Amino acid sequence: EDQVTQSPEALRLQEGESSSLNCSYTVSGLRGLFWYRQDPGKGPEFLFTLYSAGEEKEKERLKATLTKKESFLHITAPKPEDSATYLCAVQAWGGGSQGNLIFGKGTKLSVKP
Amino acid sequence: NAGVTQTPKFQVLKTGQSMTLQCAQDMNHEYMSWYRQDPGMGLRLIHYSVGAGITDQGEVPNGYNVSRSTTEDFPLRLLSAAPSQTSVYFCASASESINEKLFFGSGTQLSVL
Repeated sequence: EDQVTQSPEALRLQEGESSSLNCSYTVSGLRGLFWYRQDPGKGPEFLFTLYSAGEEKEKERLKATLTKKESFLHITAPKPEDSATYLCAVQAWGGGSQGNLIFGKGTKLSVKP
Repeated sequence: NAGVTQTPKFQVLKTGQSMTLQCAQDMNHEYMSWYRQDPGMGLRLIHYSVGAGITDQGEVPNGYNVSRSTTEDFPLRLLSAAPSQTSVYFCASASESINEKLFFGSGTQLSVL
């Protein structure tokens, strides 16, 4: 069964304190791994897509990396505005419902000034 | 460009009532989907559509109906509301049927008493 597990569930950081969020996955054949950001009371917002092991993508203070079993979202020198819930999702190869995204439960990040 | 628009934002129903959650997108996206988000759980797919006239079930379809008569609209119908359907509902769309990058609406918070 395809599965996505995110850790930790919650993470509290001081402003400027770098850290990483983890997303481990089991999927029959990985087509893509996605990171989304969700602010309270809003829908998720797309951040990155990763397709193959070794791939990295960056956006401002965020860098996403991918291995064959997990992905990391590295946050460098975070600011309070980075506070949000970060969602990981995987997409498997195959037609029909197999092409749909499977989401993890998310990591709630709080950055204190 | 409004993106994905969901209405209403909040709704309270009594058990057994029916209602329709509205979703419209103005990006000419072929792929549209409905998710529910519950505390401590990841986003779960209810129904999805890869184009007008084509719909299919996701992970948790029971108690919900959908139709796709136009590219722009994808309403979600609750046939006979139950307390277990209390949740936050998100509509999402993507430009291709492989839904690589989902654009989410702002959500509908539904309470069933």
